[in-house]
Amino acid sequence: NAGVTQTPKFRVLKTGQSMTLLCAQDMNHEYMYWYRQDPGMGLRLIHYSVGEGTTAKGEVPDGYNVSRLKKQNFLLGLESAAPSQTSVYFCASSKGRTGELFFGEGSRLTVL
Amino acid sequence: SQQGEEDPQALSIQEGENATMNCSYKTSINNLQWYRQNSGRGLVHLILIRSNEREKHSGRLRVTLDTSKKSSSLLITASRAADTASYFCATDSRRWDRGSTLGRLYFGRGTQLTVWP
Repeated sequence: NAGVTQTPKFRVLKTGQSMTLLCAQDMNHEYMYWYRQDPGMGLRLIHYSVGEGTTAKGEVPDGYNVSRLKKQNFLLGLESAAPSQTSVYFCASSKGRTGELFFGEGSRLTVL
Repeated sequence: SQQGEEDPQALSIQEGENATMNCSYKTSINNLQWYRQNSGRGLVHLILIRSNEREKHSGRLRVTLDTSKKSSSLLITASRAADTASYFCATDSRRWDRGSTLGRLYFGRGTQLTVWP
């Protein structure tokens, strides 16, 4: 039982390049989330999904897009990367709206 | 902001001592959760306390919640070097948006706990 798996774990981009982070969960959870973690800022919610085919904006959605075509996958896209998007990105999932979140191990992104 | 705020930002203690971390928040909540993050790893859920509960225990962890003061505390008893990590509180807001409850938690900035052998 893998839980929440994020790929890739590390990536270096040049300004203006695009990329997609993949999150996969095998717990049949309805809710999935993308957070970013920056030093001194804690975790900030980027986008989230309450079910297959649905997505919603979180606290810091600008510059990111997401898709949830399959229940087990939640993709985070950067269309034109900027240095301000250098961060550690965490995917999480939960069974219900108010329950425990299960986190992936993180994806460290550096934008030069 | 709904965000919980942990206090202190950093805590350094010796093995065997107790560690207490506090969390304050601003608006009404459904529940409050505590998470732990080891360096370079993802967050791991520790304990959830609902708004109608005042205290909860799990092993060496004791969590209290005071909704009148909008605060919570996490106590780790008889700490060990392996408890060294960052600890975050996360609040689940009661807020409604466009007629539906939002499925999201708001995290604080965390307390960095160091336990020396």
